[in-house]
Amino acid sequence: SQTIHQWPATLVQPVGSPLSLECTVEGTSNPNLYWYRQAAGRGLQLLFYSVGIGQISSEVPQNLSASRPQDRQFILSSKKLLLSDSGFYLCAWSGLREKLFFGSGTQLSVL
Amino acid sequence: GQNIDQPTEMTATEGAIVQINCTYQTSGFNGLFWYQQHAGEAPTFLSYNVLDGLEEKGRFSSFLSRSKGYSYLLLKELQMKDSASYLCAVRDPRDSWGKLQFGAGTQVVVTP
Repeated sequence: SQTIHQWPATLVQPVGSPLSLECTVEGTSNPNLYWYRQAAGRGLQLLFYSVGIGQISSEVPQNLSASRPQDRQFILSSKKLLLSDSGFYLCAWSGLREKLFFGSGTQLSVL
Repeated sequence: GQNIDQPTEMTATEGAIVQINCTYQTSGFNGLFWYQQHAGEAPTFLSYNVLDGLEEKGRFSSFLSRSKGYSYLLLKELQMKDSASYLCAVRDPRDSWGKLQFGAGTQVVVTP
């Protein structure tokens, strides 16, 4: 069966520090991969999605970047965090035109 | 893009029924999803509708009317554990890869 792992679960970082969140998927090949962000009390905002290794699409201009170095690995990064980067970050995967399966999420607090 | 509207919060009593409405405005349609999200946790899939009508899964049912751009999620025999946010999501018809656009979610509070 397919599983998705996301870490860390919580993170507290100072403004201006770098960020790296990692997500891996097991039990499937060539998944579509997604990074969403959820601000407190708000809906999910799609940040990045990827349909293959090295193929990244950005939905909104921002202080973050994403990379997909391997088929089942998706990384969210920032060189310098801003206060506005705080939120609940969710990695997800899907097959082609199928439902999303989410990782357990990372609660990021930028102070 | 998609404009997806759902109520912010609803309160209901244990054992009762609650209906969460979702309206969407889009130039096309390629499926609507409902997810449940408990506080601090990841969303979990509840239901998927692509054709008009009612889909029933135990205590949860979801209805779709494509002509009206309208869906609802019906929760029956409410339990305390049903207290959560319920997210309506629409698949972007312009996107062959199936990205989902989410509404802001409806917080359901179940009281004893």
